[in-house]
Amino acid sequence: ILNVEQSPQSLHVQEGDSTNFTCSFPSSNFYALHWYRWETAKSPEALFVMTLNGDEKKKGRISATLNTKEGYSYLYIKGSQPEDSATYLCAFSGSARQLTFGSGTQLTVLP
Amino acid sequence: DTEVTQTPKHLVMGMTNKKSLKCEQHMGHRAMYWYKQKAKKPPELMFVYSYEKLSINESVPSRFSPECPNSSLLNLHLHALQPEDSALYLCASSQGRTGYQETQYFGPGTRLLVL
Repeated sequence: ILNVEQSPQSLHVQEGDSTNFTCSFPSSNFYALHWYRWETAKSPEALFVMTLNGDEKKKGRISATLNTKEGYSYLYIKGSQPEDSATYLCAFSGSARQLTFGSGTQLTVLP
Repeated sequence: DTEVTQTPKHLVMGMTNKKSLKCEQHMGHRAMYWYKQKAKKPPELMFVYSYEKLSINESVPSRFSPECPNSSLLNLHLHALQPEDSALYLCASSQGRTGYQETQYFGPGTRLLVL
């Protein structure tokens, strides 16, 4: 059974704060690490797919880094806005097409 | 169009009913997936179809029966479910060519309640 862990489970920040959260995954048999953003009552939205150690990806105010040797990825949000409130899921891919998801970090950005 | 649609949005069924969940995409994707998500747990993979053929079945009970009638449609037939099968059922699709690097595009899910 693959263990994909995310921390913290939930996070409340003030509008304008920057924040980050962690995804830990097995460092062996690594193929890819996915990040998704999931707002309540909507579809999970793909943010990044990361495959190489040292990868850094950026989309607007959101960025992510990847360390496959130690098995972790960080997601950063700069200058959080209320519309960033969502659950952020990471998913580890250790074989073709199969994603193992973490339990997510629930972010609430207070105005 | 990067939309995956799922119907119905909500479903309530008894343990003796037969019902079906439907998923549709028009992105030309050739891989489609069913996931199950229980409250406060991560989504768990149930089935994967690749080029309309079942490629992965994650030891799902036979009361769940998937079907992929064509490259755009994925169904999940439900029969004799148990209350513990109540969950959010998510459908996803991906290109089907590059495997582990592929982004999976998700629908909004069907919220199922089994009484």
